[in-house]
Amino acid sequence: GAVVSQHPSWVICKSGTSVKIECRSLDFQATTMFWYRQFPKQSLMLMATSNEGSKATYEQGVEKDKFLINHASLTLSTLTVTSAHPEDSSFYICSAPSPGNEQFFGPGTRLTVL
Amino acid sequence: GEDVEQSLFLSVREGDSSVINCTYTDSSSTYLYWYKQEPGAGLQLLTYIFSNMDMKQDQRLTVLLNKKDKHLSLRIADTQTGDSAIYFCAESRYSSASKIIFGSGTRLSIRP
Repeated sequence: GAVVSQHPSWVICKSGTSVKIECRSLDFQATTMFWYRQFPKQSLMLMATSNEGSKATYEQGVEKDKFLINHASLTLSTLTVTSAHPEDSSFYICSAPSPGNEQFFGPGTRLTVL
Repeated sequence: GEDVEQSLFLSVREGDSSVINCTYTDSSSTYLYWYKQEPGAGLQLLTYIFSNMDMKQDQRLTVLLNKKDKHLSLRIADTQTGDSAIYFCAESRYSSASKIIFGSGTRLSIRP
């Protein structure tokens, strides 16, 4: 089946630094990808929709200047957490719909900001 | 608006059936899903149902949809210790390629 990968799988950074997370569709092209955030023991909250060739669409309450999304190619979307703070520590998960319209989720990236 | 609600915890005895319930508010929901997440792991799609269906069965899993009441349930027959996980109910409006809205998740624990 289709596979979506994320890199890195985990990252620890100092407060104030920026962190880039990659989401790749390994064997299909995706013009749209979705980024979710999951805090401990909570549900997945949709942050934004990454669109190839146009700006990302952010959900209400998500700061677009803090969470920069770039749909670099038909197989790659990146999420950059700028000036990360401890409250940004979370599990970030991406998903991509395959040509068959089934959504595939990445394994997630655990971000810890010290 | 879009809202999906679930109870937070469920405890069942090994071998019994587990029934996890979910309600949603968006009458435009087209696809309704059940995902499983084990500790520290990503999401696993268990099953999904189209909004024009009432029931779907897949081995030990049975999904029931009451569209009038906007109620979805997942029944796991013969629950095993490997079924311990968090189960998320979710919906998407237009197609399975649309953004997916998740419920809060139900933590299923199995007791001997």
